[in-house]
Amino acid sequence: KQEVTQIPAALSVPEGENLVLNCSFTDSAIYNLQWFRQDPGKGLTSLLLIQSSQREQTSGRLNASLDKSSGRSTLYIAASQPGDSATYLCAVSVGGFKTIFGAGTRLFVKA
Amino acid sequence: DGGITQSPKYLFRKEGQNVTLSCEQNLNHDAMYWYRQDPGQGLRLIYYSQIVNDFQKGDIAEGYSVSREKKESFPLTVTSAQKNPTAFYLCASSISGAAGNTIYFGEGSWLTVV
Repeated sequence: KQEVTQIPAALSVPEGENLVLNCSFTDSAIYNLQWFRQDPGKGLTSLLLIQSSQREQTSGRLNASLDKSSGRSTLYIAASQPGDSATYLCAVSVGGFKTIFGAGTRLFVKA
Repeated sequence: DGGITQSPKYLFRKEGQNVTLSCEQNLNHDAMYWYRQDPGQGLRLIYYSQIVNDFQKGDIAEGYSVSREKKESFPLTVTSAQKNPTAFYLCASSISGAAGNTIYFGEGSWLTVV
């Protein structure tokens, strides 16, 4: 059974710091991995999607990597800003309409 | 603008009552989903639909029902059989149900039992 784990559950950093969020999954048989952002009381916004054949994706200050063999993905945020404060969730698509979500990492960037 | 609209944002349910959460999308997506989010947990799939007039149970379908009479609409009914309905409910869609497609979410609905 596929399980997705995100560590740490919460993270607080000063503004301007580069940071890495971690996501691990137990079964390497995935179609893709997606990173989402969720603001308090809001829906999820897709940030990056990495297909299983890809190693990384970049969008602005965000870079996501995927290592299927080790069951890991990282989301790198460069030069963090207070506006980056949110919960970041990763999710893996395992086929058949099944997408398994992690519980998220709650990020707080201090001004 | 294209997107997914959920209503109401906040809903209160009395014991023994059925309530319905609305979800409408204008993205022309075939697949639609309902997820439940509880504090500190990942999203859990309630129901999904890949085409009009067809839907399938997800991991936690007990106490919930859905319909898909139109491509744009996928309402969720929380029945009195759902014993612990207080949660944040998220509707989502994707261009198709094939694995590998980006999932888009609505803004969510809060349901509280009073």
